Amino acid sequence: AQSVTQLDSQVPVFEEAPVELRCNYSSSVSVYLFWYVQYPNQGLQLLLKYLSGSTLVESINGFEAEFNKSQTSFHLRKPSVHISDTAEYFCAVSGFGGYNKLIFGAGTRLAVHP
Amino acid sequence: EPEVTQTPSHQVTQMGQEVILRCVPISNHLYFYWYRQILGQKVEFLVSFYNNEISEKSEIFDDQFSVERPDGSNFTLKIRSTKLEDSAMYFCASSESLAGVLYFGPGTRLTVT
Repeated sequence: AQSVTQLDSQVPVFEEAPVELRCNYSSSVSVYLFWYVQYPNQGLQLLLKYLSGSTLVESINGFEAEFNKSQTSFHLRKPSVHISDTAEYFCAVSGFGGYNKLIFGAGTRLAVHP
Repeated sequence: EPEVTQTPSHQVTQMGQEVILRCVPISNHLYFYWYRQILGQKVEFLVSFYNNEISEKSEIFDDQFSVERPDGSNFTLKIRSTKLEDSAMYFCASSESLAGVLYFGPGTRLTVT
């Protein structure tokens, strides 16, 4: 079975500051890792994913995440945030060989202030 | 860009009534899912569906729930007798393959009164 821990329920940050949203997972099998974003009153949108290959993955809007197998982590980072990044961010994991069932973390609410 | 669509966006129903939530997955996808998010809580897996049958379901997905692919495009979630605790946002998702990325719809907010 897999589980996901997002260590911070809320992260307040000022605009143009760097941010890191932490995600740790546990699994007895190899995993795929995802970050989804949920803007206010909207559904879940895929932000980025790690399936294989390079452990550093990037999104089109400047976020990046690094898969660290030894630390079982997949932290999300952005060097300079914008007001528009204010949203709930969910880390999720799925295991190899299953029917792609995603296990979500509890979410981290990123609040960017001017 | 193809996307998953869901209807209605908001459904209000009385306790004990049946509801059907509808989803149109991305057309070439083969795997379909329902998740739910109770207000303020994490997104929870309900059920996955492949080849016209349930492939996996969670403890939440009891006999009150059923899923169906009635035609080549729709994927539905039925709750036979709704309870107050069924109030949540229900998300449909689809993926092209077992290792494929899940694409989520915008959700249906179900309110049971």
